[in-house]
Amino acid sequence: QKEVEQNSGPLSVPEGAIASLNCTYSDRVSQSFFWYRQYSGKSPELIMSIYSNGDKEDGRFTAQLNKASQYVSLLIRDSQPSDSATYLCAVPSGGSYIPTFGRGTSLIVHP
Amino acid sequence: SQTIHQWPATLVQPVGSPLSLECTVEGTSNPNLYWYRQAAGRGLQLLFYSVGIGQISSEVPQNLSASRPQDRQFILSSKKLLLSDSGFYLCAWHPAGTAYEQYFGPGTRLTVT
Repeated sequence: QKEVEQNSGPLSVPEGAIASLNCTYSDRVSQSFFWYRQYSGKSPELIMSIYSNGDKEDGRFTAQLNKASQYVSLLIRDSQPSDSATYLCAVPSGGSYIPTFGRGTSLIVHP
Repeated sequence: SQTIHQWPATLVQPVGSPLSLECTVEGTSNPNLYWYRQAAGRGLQLLFYSVGIGQISSEVPQNLSASRPQDRQFILSSKKLLLSDSGFYLCAWHPAGTAYEQYFGPGTRLTVT
């Protein structure tokens, strides 16, 4: 059973701070890693994908991948109340095109 | 650009009634299609996926079924709903042969009473 683990939170940060969300996965041969944002009552929205070790930046979002330690993280700089949502980590197992989703981390950004 | 539609957006059905949820994708051909269920406060549960017309794989045995009558159409059905079928049903797709980025439809919120 391939596993993707996330701290359920909630993670509470003040507006303007950096929010750090973490995800660990069990399949060592996974090659693709995705972060989704899900607002309450809405469907998940893809916000970041990363395939290589290191950092990938897109606006206020940075995804960090460490395959040796089997973790992927999402940093949100200058957090805004509109970033308050649940963030899902998704990792397809090596050789599969079907992702395993973590249960998500709830982020609350308070003014 | 690609668009994914789901309907209805919300549905309230009594126990024992049938169900039909529909998902269509526009702007792409031969997508991989998926049905997920998200129960209140829970993670995403993969129910079915399809790599082509008439090809359905089931991940969880239950009283639900899926069909793919056309390339870009995916249908989730049940003959008799259970209370435990309540949840948020999500259809997703990704282009065949790509790096697995899934895109979700707006979802159908089903309440079984």
